[in-house]
Amino acid sequence: EPEVTQTPSHQVTQMGQEVILRCVPISNHLYFYWYRQILGQKVEFLVSFYNNEISEKSEIFDDQFSVERPDGSNFTLKIRSTKLEDSAMYFCASSEVAATYGYTFGSGTRLTVV
Amino acid sequence: AQSVTQLDSQVPVFEEAPVELRCNYSSSVSVYLFWYVQYPNQGLQLLLKYLSGSTLVKGINGFEAEFNKSQTSFHLRKPSVHISDTAEYFCAVGSASGTYKYIFGTGTRLKVLA
Repeated sequence: EPEVTQTPSHQVTQMGQEVILRCVPISNHLYFYWYRQILGQKVEFLVSFYNNEISEKSEIFDDQFSVERPDGSNFTLKIRSTKLEDSAMYFCASSEVAATYGYTFGSGTRLTVV
Repeated sequence: AQSVTQLDSQVPVFEEAPVELRCNYSSSVSVYLFWYVQYPNQGLQLLLKYLSGSTLVKGINGFEAEFNKSQTSFHLRKPSVHISDTAEYFCAVGSASGTYKYIFGTGTRLKVLA
């Protein structure tokens, strides 16, 4: 069964450093998403991406965050200057059509900011 | 605005007993409803979804859920659980108004006891 692949599975970074979280969505999917889950809290929407542009973003997704699809297969989330409160599990997801039919999620990247 | 409430943070149940995990939502527009399961150290896997039509939907692993519009609920049920069903279960709502994001509940940890 096709999978969404995320790398790395765990990343530790120092406060103020830039991090890039990588995702390979399912190949025929057109819609891409990032969510995050702070430990013990709910899964929160960050951003959706379609046709090489952001289609929707949450208030969490401020100027510190950016997304990119650099080569037609990867989908990345960059955090420019990490804060302690960015520590969370970050999930990438993709869907073939719009979100109505359910996403396929990756297994997540646990980001720890120290 | 939409919201999702999962009333039970933890549900312990003995193996082969039935279980119901509760989910209530609020929305001013038509919704799509989903249940996701998260096994330890894994991503979110789609269990089932309600888009339209029959209010009783069946998913993977013997789970089913019933959409009740008047009670704004989408409770998840399984008639006989197994140890392997131990996981975190998330209810999520998507909007038919064109937004791409899902709103997730806080999750219910199902612990199946031998």
